[in-house]
Amino acid sequence: KAGVTQTPRYLIKTRGQQVTLSCSPISGHRSVSWYQQTPGQGLQFLFEYFSETQRNKGNFPGRFSGRQFSNSRSEMNVSTLELGDSALYLCASSSTSGGPYEQYFGPGTRLTVT
Amino acid sequence: AQSVAQPEDQVNVAEGNPLTVKCTYSVSGNPYLFWYVQYPNRGLQFLLKYITGDNLVKGSYGFEAEFNKSQTSFHLKKPSALVSDSALYFCAVSSADRGSTLGRLYFGRGTQLTVWP
Repeated sequence: KAGVTQTPRYLIKTRGQQVTLSCSPISGHRSVSWYQQTPGQGLQFLFEYFSETQRNKGNFPGRFSGRQFSNSRSEMNVSTLELGDSALYLCASSSTSGGPYEQYFGPGTRLTVT
Repeated sequence: AQSVAQPEDQVNVAEGNPLTVKCTYSVSGNPYLFWYVQYPNRGLQFLLKYITGDNLVKGSYGFEAEFNKSQTSFHLKKPSALVSDSALYFCAVSSADRGSTLGRLYFGRGTQLTVWP
């Protein structure tokens, strides 16, 4: 079974721009979560989607948004980028039937904002 | 509120010696506990989990962890460390209802494990 895939792997953007990151979960997994990882703040939860619905949201400003499609693929968008948004963005998927189950992480998208 | 503490930023151990990476947690409700490992420029790799049942759980690559409810701890252990075990280790906790998704995972700050030859 293929793992969680994230595209692109690396991204360089300028302050004020917006960016969209993509995540394809493991086949059959319907729950997708997003995390931001920075040296200063560690791993912080952004949001979780299940069956195209946002079920949980972390403490991030409204510039951070996401969505999930009917095939469980997910995207997250960051508008009006700030230097502090530079981070590794990790997507994780999990099975849901009879769970809870562990989350499996993708390799991440390294976003650099200049 | 859920939280995880990893009291040691760094653990150093000689190859062949046993290793322990410590984790304590705070959660309302039933705890679901996980250990992940991260190699440089990579995502998190699942090692093991405690959901219910035996307090000693075995995971990948010879790692195991012991759930201690009274001490609210979930320490990661390995009887004989390898140089290739050197990486960043994260403990995580969630509290969820049976049959539900995990929701959000709360992670510790991570412990850098270095195993020297």
